[in-house]
Amino acid sequence: GQSLEQPSEVTAVEGAIVQINCTYQTSGFYGLSWYQQHDGGAPTFLSYNALDGLEETGRFSSFLSRSDSYGYLLLQELQMKDSASYFCAVREVGGQGFSFIFGKGTRLLVKP
Amino acid sequence: DSGVTQTPKHLITATGQRVTLRCSPRSGDLSVYWYQQSLDQGLQFLIQYYNGEERAKGNILERFSAQQFPDLHSELNLSSLELGDSALYFCASSVVQGSHNEQFFGPGTRLTVL
Repeated sequence: GQSLEQPSEVTAVEGAIVQINCTYQTSGFYGLSWYQQHDGGAPTFLSYNALDGLEETGRFSSFLSRSDSYGYLLLQELQMKDSASYFCAVREVGGQGFSFIFGKGTRLLVKP
Repeated sequence: DSGVTQTPKHLITATGQRVTLRCSPRSGDLSVYWYQQSLDQGLQFLIQYYNGEERAKGNILERFSAQQFPDLHSELNLSSLELGDSALYFCASSVVQGSHNEQFFGPGTRLTVL
């Protein structure tokens, strides 16, 4: 069956770099997305990788290796406001058409 | 503000009851997605509509149903409610069908079943 694995929790200090990994097992892979969600808030889109390689958007970068079924989100120059949950997600093709599968999320705690 | 609106913000009801959650997508978006988020299950995809038609189905219970109207707003109907249905329900929208590069999420409806 389909699954996404990501660490449940990561802690880092302000100004540091942190990498959140995501491994997936799905059928009909259509790309890996990352979302950020602050406590009590809605998920917000961060990045999307359809092809292998690194995508950079400001302090955030996302990487995909389709051959390894693996991706990561890299957050640089961490700020306190980056404390949030981060979800990786894939679109998968199944018996009832396609579906969206989200990982259980990684809670990032940024300390001063 | 994503531009997606959801009402009500909070809903408290009893087991066995039926409720309707409403979502208005961003202007111009034809696709609407519904998700359920609970503490132990994470974010679960329920169903997707595109321009009024159902296009994808996830882990949606038979007690739940949804529709998208000609003005593109969508409603999620939850019936015979159980305690386990208590969760945050998100609606998201995107421009294209089956978009996975960016979905815009509404603020959510927190449902509490007592």
